[in-house]
Amino acid sequence: AQKITQTQPGMFVQEKEAVTLDCTYDTSDPSYGLFWYKQPSSGEMIFLIYQGSYDQQNATEGRYSLNFQKARKSANLVISASQLGDSAMYFCAMRASYGGATNKLIFGTGTLLAVQP
Amino acid sequence: EAQVTQNPRYLITVTGKKLTVTCSQNMNHEYMSWYRQDPGLGLRQIYYSMNVEVTDKGDVPEGYKVSRKEKRNFPLILESPSPNQTSLYFCASRTLTTGAEAFFGQGTRLTVV
Repeated sequence: AQKITQTQPGMFVQEKEAVTLDCTYDTSDPSYGLFWYKQPSSGEMIFLIYQGSYDQQNATEGRYSLNFQKARKSANLVISASQLGDSAMYFCAMRASYGGATNKLIFGTGTLLAVQP
Repeated sequence: EAQVTQNPRYLITVTGKKLTVTCSQNMNHEYMSWYRQDPGLGLRQIYYSMNVEVTDKGDVPEGYKVSRKEKRNFPLILESPSPNQTSLYFCASRTLTTGAEAFFGQGTRLTVV
């Protein structure tokens, strides 16, 4: 079964520090993609970063980087130099079965990050 | 501006009264889908569509209907809403390209009393 697990329901981090949000996944598909989305209190879903299963290097987008460890099936999000505006819910998601019929995103339960001044 | 537009943003309705949540995208995306978000469960897919007139069930389709008569529109229909359908609903669209991100609408917060 395909599954995303986020074991941290909530986290605190001091402003300007780095924080790592954990994500592990389970799939038997050799080809898959991993995504992180941010959901601020206003509710919208904002795409942050993507990592393909065959990508050799870890993805980076500005202050966001994805620590992809394929053997461990983990795809942790690292936010460097946290800002107050980073306070939000963060979702890890996976899309497997690229050639299949579903192409759906499977989401974890989310991690609520609070950045403290 | 590329966007997915859902309406309404907020809706309170009574049990059994049919309702439709509209979704429209302006990016010519083939793939569109509906998710519901519930506390502690993340987002779960309700229905999806690979193209016009092609729709299929996701993980939690019971109590919902969809249609895809035009590429840009993908309405979600609740024929007889019940309180357990109180949730935050998202419409999303993307291309079928490998690795394509999904663009989400602003969300519709539905309360069924």
